[in-house]
Amino acid sequence: DAGITQSPRHKVTETGTPVTLRCHQTENHRYMYWYRQDPGHGLRLIHYSYGVKDTDKGEVSDGYSVSRSKTEDFLLTLESATSSQTSVYFCAISEGQTSTDTQYFGPGTRLTVL
Amino acid sequence: AQSVTQLGSHVSVSEGALVLLRCNYSSSVPPYLFWYVQYPNQGLQLLLKYTSAATLVKGINGFEAEFKKSETSFHLTKPSAHMSDAAEYFCAVSRNDYKLSFGAGTTVTVRA
Repeated sequence: DAGITQSPRHKVTETGTPVTLRCHQTENHRYMYWYRQDPGHGLRLIHYSYGVKDTDKGEVSDGYSVSRSKTEDFLLTLESATSSQTSVYFCAISEGQTSTDTQYFGPGTRLTVL
Repeated sequence: AQSVTQLGSHVSVSEGALVLLRCNYSSSVPPYLFWYVQYPNQGLQLLLKYTSAATLVKGINGFEAEFKKSETSFHLTKPSAHMSDAAEYFCAVSRNDYKLSFGAGTTVTVRA
C-alpha cells in the first residue's frame, strides 16, 4: 500500500468553524490531490499540488484553500465550514512523471458539518 | 472539456455470472482511461488503466477492459463474479494534465 495517511479520519464540526484536514505521504511523490466524494457525483477534484508551494484549483474549489510547505504534507482548509461541505474527503498522490501515472488514494476523512 | 459517463448506478449479478460495467467518455482526442474500485469504508485502488499501448487491458482480480475508440467506450468486464467483487467501481479519464475526472460510480452487488 502507498504510504498515505489522512488525519483526522472522522470529524464533526459546526457551521462557521474552520477545519483543516491533513494528508501525509512517505513516497516523496510530486503530485498531491484533494477530492471530495458525494453520492451520485463520484469523486470531484478540489485542489491539487505539483510541488512545494505549487498548487492549483480543481473543479469544486470554492470555500476551500490548500497549502503545501513540505513535500510530504498537503493541507486542506475549510475557512468557514458549511453544511454543503459535509462529505468524505480523499487525498491522493502520484509520481507526476507522466499523465498515465497511477493515483494512489488515502483512507479518507469523513467530515460532518452540523 | 472531457467527461465520463457510467451507465447504471447499481448492478446486481449472481455469483459466477458475467460482470459488465459500462463507461463512455467524451473527448476530442484519445484520453487515458482508468478503472478504480472502492471497497466499503476504504479509499480507491487501481484495477487497470489504458495508456494507448494495447486496446485490451488486463487488471487485477480477473478484471479486464477494452478501449473502443469508435464507440468512445472503456467497459469493464469479469467473466465470473465472486462475492468479494461487491464494491463501487469508478471509471476515470485523464488528458495530459495529471488530473482525473471521475464518473459517478457503479455499485456492484453479488447474489449468492
